[in-house]
Amino acid sequence: TQLLEQSPQFLSIQEGENLTVYCNSSSVFSSLQWYRQEPGEGPVLLVTVVTGGEVKKLKRLTFQFGDARKDSSLHITAAQPGDTGLYLCAGALTGNTPLVFGKGTRLSVIA
Amino acid sequence: GAGVSQTPSNKVTEKGKYVELRCDPISGHTALYWYRQSLGQGPEFLIYFQGTGAADDSGLPNDRFFAVRPEGSVSTLKIQRTERGDSAVYLCASSLYGSSTGELFFGEGSRLTVL
Repeated sequence: TQLLEQSPQFLSIQEGENLTVYCNSSSVFSSLQWYRQEPGEGPVLLVTVVTGGEVKKLKRLTFQFGDARKDSSLHITAAQPGDTGLYLCAGALTGNTPLVFGKGTRLSVIA
Repeated sequence: GAGVSQTPSNKVTEKGKYVELRCDPISGHTALYWYRQSLGQGPEFLIYFQGTGAADDSGLPNDRFFAVRPEGSVSTLKIQRTERGDSAVYLCASSLYGSSTGELFFGEGSRLTVL
């Protein structure tokens, strides 16, 4: 069973559209991270959230950690072709446990 | 170098052969992680080192897989009697302290293909 479920698995949108991707679990996480991965490269960290209800913004990207620390969302405003990639959420069950990754959402933004 | 370096970038081997994959982390990073990523999947945790010791090896799938980090820097992932199901991209990551809130810096991975 997958500890972190990401949805949708695939998303293809036009440049300028808004989108939201989700990361859900039945487990409580001490922290959660979002990474972006491009083909042939390793994942690169976008954000870390640690407090339930926390919202962080990174330019056109808005990240939210659920109040119960079981889920998270990533909202992208006015998507651009450069946003294309695999978006991975990763959570730690405790402060000392390694990150567990979801399967990712593969986003394609068409110009 | 400035980032995490992994060699080889590509390895093709035959079923039953022995393979070693090397990871050179960012200088000064005490924590080192190995993950495996199959096509269409997210990275799957294999093993985590804090310094020279394996702090958590619960993700190693079986005893054919082994990893070392003898001097607390470079790590080698060793796979014996490779099977076709071992084909994947093996990712190495390092972080400064190993806290779960710290950033993992990933290498570009070693793509292993077992024929």
